[in-house]
Amino acid sequence: AQTVTQSQPEMSVQEAETVTLSCTYDTSENNYYLFWYKQPPSRQMILVIRQEAYKQQNATENRFSVNFQKAAKSFSLKISDSQLGDTAMYFCAFMKHQGAQKLVFGQGTRLTINP
Amino acid sequence: EPEVTQTPSHQVTQMGQEVILRCVPISNHLYFYWYRQILGQKVEFLVSFYNNEISEKSEIFDDQFSVERPDGSNFTLKIRSTKLEDSAMYFCASSGGPQPYNEQFFGPGTRLTVL
Repeated sequence: AQTVTQSQPEMSVQEAETVTLSCTYDTSENNYYLFWYKQPPSRQMILVIRQEAYKQQNATENRFSVNFQKAAKSFSLKISDSQLGDTAMYFCAFMKHQGAQKLVFGQGTRLTINP
Repeated sequence: EPEVTQTPSHQVTQMGQEVILRCVPISNHLYFYWYRQILGQKVEFLVSFYNNEISEKSEIFDDQFSVERPDGSNFTLKIRSTKLEDSAMYFCASSGGPQPYNEQFFGPGTRLTVL
């Protein structure tokens, strides 16, 4: 079975700073996908970024980038030039490449961006 | 922009009662999911649904749970006889194609409180 662990329950940074959220996972699969989802207060979860395990290049979406270390089973999210609108709960998630359709989530990190 | 919607936003029920949680997926989506999050715990997969049948379910999804797509727009989760431990946030999600290639879009959730 796959597990996803986010060891930082809460983080807080000043606006415009860079922040890195940690995620580790455990799997015996060789091919899989990793995701970061954002859940703003009282809003639905939205996909921030995804990484395919067979791609060595780290995914980037504007101010969001990941550091994917397959051997270490680590998948951190870096938010550059943080904005007040980045305040949210962030979930790391795992999905097998074939067969299962489910997302396996971590516990979440509550990120607060302070003005 | 199309969104997944869920009703009600909060449901309070007595133990042993039946509840139906409703979801309206994005209109051209074909794959549907339910997840739940007990307060303070991880978001957990319950069930996936495609082509009018369950394609995968977790151990949580026992005989007390059922899903249905009664018409072309709604996707429901029924809990036949609620228990205290069913108190959680229930999230519906939909995707336009098979996993993992297609993003799952989440609804805002229904908070179920069982007294």
